[in-house]
Amino acid sequence: GESVGLHLPTLSVQEGDNSIINCAYSNSASDYFIWYKQESGKGPQFIIDIRSNMDKRQGQRVTVLLNKTVKHLSLQIAATQPGDSAVYFCAENTGTASKLTFGTGTRLQVTL
Amino acid sequence: GAGVSQSPRYKVAKRGQDVALRCDPISGHVSLFWYQQALGQGPEFLTYFQNEAQLDKSGLPSDRFFAERPEGSVSTLKIQRTQQEDSAVYLCASSFLQNTEAFFGQGTRLTVV
Repeated sequence: GESVGLHLPTLSVQEGDNSIINCAYSNSASDYFIWYKQESGKGPQFIIDIRSNMDKRQGQRVTVLLNKTVKHLSLQIAATQPGDSAVYFCAENTGTASKLTFGTGTRLQVTL
Repeated sequence: GAGVSQSPRYKVAKRGQDVALRCDPISGHVSLFWYQQALGQGPEFLTYFQNEAQLDKSGLPSDRFFAERPEGSVSTLKIQRTQQEDSAVYLCASSFLQNTEAFFGQGTRLTVV
């Protein structure tokens, strides 16, 4: 299948280590943020979301941190597994807007 | 179905040909979105429907692009007189309401030759 993100920033981590993927968003009015995972040949898959009235949200093996002061979002993946290898996108939305605006993406490579 | 379904998965069109891409959203989802994803980039918004109403089409790149959702369920994205720069993956997403979790289909890869 075709590769997603041929020229994206790449984060390489060893299996079992924790991964941190960062994202700077652009719109200070954005109040809803989502992390998506995209594997080659597939559509983006929802991982976790957070609203602007929170600064941290945890899911299964994943944590999203939101710093509105510096407009920064991060995704932490605990005990990274080979199946986590993909391109990760952050996306933002404002309450009055219909569309998600996606960041440029980061490729996560998990080495054994 | 369980997820968002798009067809065809792959489409090769000769330059100048018209194409139609179909999206079957998750049943009951009010909001439907179309995105365009060029190679190596994140998805970019094209248009948004709430039920059958097209509320935002600000992302459509030209008047050759047209989308409809006549009965508030299935949607079709039509591209007239395709050009090489239209080559991309076209993604459809649906959500129960605006500003809630959006689920994406696998996309249609359009190649214009």
